[in-house]
Amino acid sequence: GQNIDQPTEMTATEGAIVQINCTYQTSGFNGLFWYQQHAGEAPTFLSYNVLDGLEEKGRFSSFLSRSKGYSYLLLKELQMKDSASYLCAAMDSNYQLIWGAGTKLIIKP
Amino acid sequence: DAGITQSPRYKITETGRQVTLMCHQTWSHSYMFWYRQDLGHGLRLIYYSAAADITDKGEVPDGYVVSRSKTENFPLTLESATRSQTSVYFCASSPDLGSAQPQHFGDGTRLSIL
Repeated sequence: GQNIDQPTEMTATEGAIVQINCTYQTSGFNGLFWYQQHAGEAPTFLSYNVLDGLEEKGRFSSFLSRSKGYSYLLLKELQMKDSASYLCAAMDSNYQLIWGAGTKLIIKP
Repeated sequence: DAGITQSPRYKITETGRQVTLMCHQTWSHSYMFWYRQDLGHGLRLIYYSAAADITDKGEVPDGYVVSRSKTENFPLTLESATRSQTSVYFCASSPDLGSAQPQHFGDGTRLSIL
């Protein structure tokens, strides 16, 4: 079957760095997406990886290892506004997104 | 402003009633999607559409009906609502599948079925 695993909740301190991991098993693979979702709001797109390696976009970076079925989202210089859920989604061979349940990130001052 | 809008934002109804959730996008995106989001689960695809008059089932289509007579609209109907359909429903759109085309989401409809 198809499956996405990510931690349910993480806590970090303002100004610090946090890494949110995601492992996936899909029928075929056409890329890995990360979305941010604040409580009560819509998911918003953060990053997309289809090749191995690190993609950096400001304070956020995303890494992919296709051979390991593994990705992570790295958030630097954490701000209180980064408190949100982070959703990992892998695109399968039919170009459908398989979503993880999300990681709730709590930022403490 | 261009974007994707859902209505209503909140809805309370009773079991057995029919309810329709509306989704409208102004980007002229080809693809539109309906998801439900429940605590402890990832977003689950209900139905999607590749173009006007082309729809297909997703992971959890039972109890739902969709139509797409115009590119910009993609309504979702619960023909006879059940309590298990209490959820947050998100509509999304994208210009294409694959490549680096992210899906863009509406603000969601919070549906409670009593």
